[in-house]
Amino acid sequence: NAGVTQTPKFQVLKTGQSMTLQCAQDMNHEYMSWYRQDPGMGLRLIHYSVGAGITDQGEVPNGYNVSRSTTEDFPLRLLSAAPSQTSVYFCASSYSSTGLGGYTFGSGTRLTVV
Amino acid sequence: GQQVMQIPQYQHVQEGEDFTTYCNSSTTLSNIQWYKQRPGGHPVFLIQLVKSGEVKKQKRLTFQFGEAKKNSSLHITATQTTDVGTYFCAGPREHDSWGKFQFGAGTQVVVTP
Repeated sequence: NAGVTQTPKFQVLKTGQSMTLQCAQDMNHEYMSWYRQDPGMGLRLIHYSVGAGITDQGEVPNGYNVSRSTTEDFPLRLLSAAPSQTSVYFCASSYSSTGLGGYTFGSGTRLTVV
Repeated sequence: GQQVMQIPQYQHVQEGEDFTTYCNSSTTLSNIQWYKQRPGGHPVFLIQLVKSGEVKKQKRLTFQFGEAKKNSSLHITATQTTDVGTYFCAGPREHDSWGKFQFGAGTQVVVTP
């Protein structure tokens, strides 16, 4: 099925651990983004990419790294997990930089940092 | 920076009633989009509006983009229990650089049978 696939769906980390959230899309979309969702705060942009090899920071990038070596994959790395990074993480993709045609979201990763 | 505000934050609706949720941006948007997120789910694209003053309908949902392209509304008629969820508006600033797509905090809709 075409779409955005995120793994894992759930994860519990200890403070200080690192991990990578995986995101893959098979729609040949150039534009991919990572958002975090916290209660009452909507979706906040962490990092985004406009194509392979090109990434940039969103509004809440601290503590996260990204890379885009292929069009399909856009992993998000947590360098040293902190309780403040407990959240639901969504990866999204679009064929357009302005989202024309809509963003397709993955099903999310629910991360708890203890 | 750009801010996208949505009101109300919560909307309790009796089944069969109508309601409207509003989206306001501090800057002009090149387009505005609406998404619906069911409880425990992920945002799903509903519609996009591009032109100033544009109005689009999807069955019982009516979407409007303001003349100044800084605000939008979603009106739902004859609310059903299937309308439960959080509705987000989102959009990029006009002339902005790549990919800076900002979402409002959403309106959480609860429907009472």
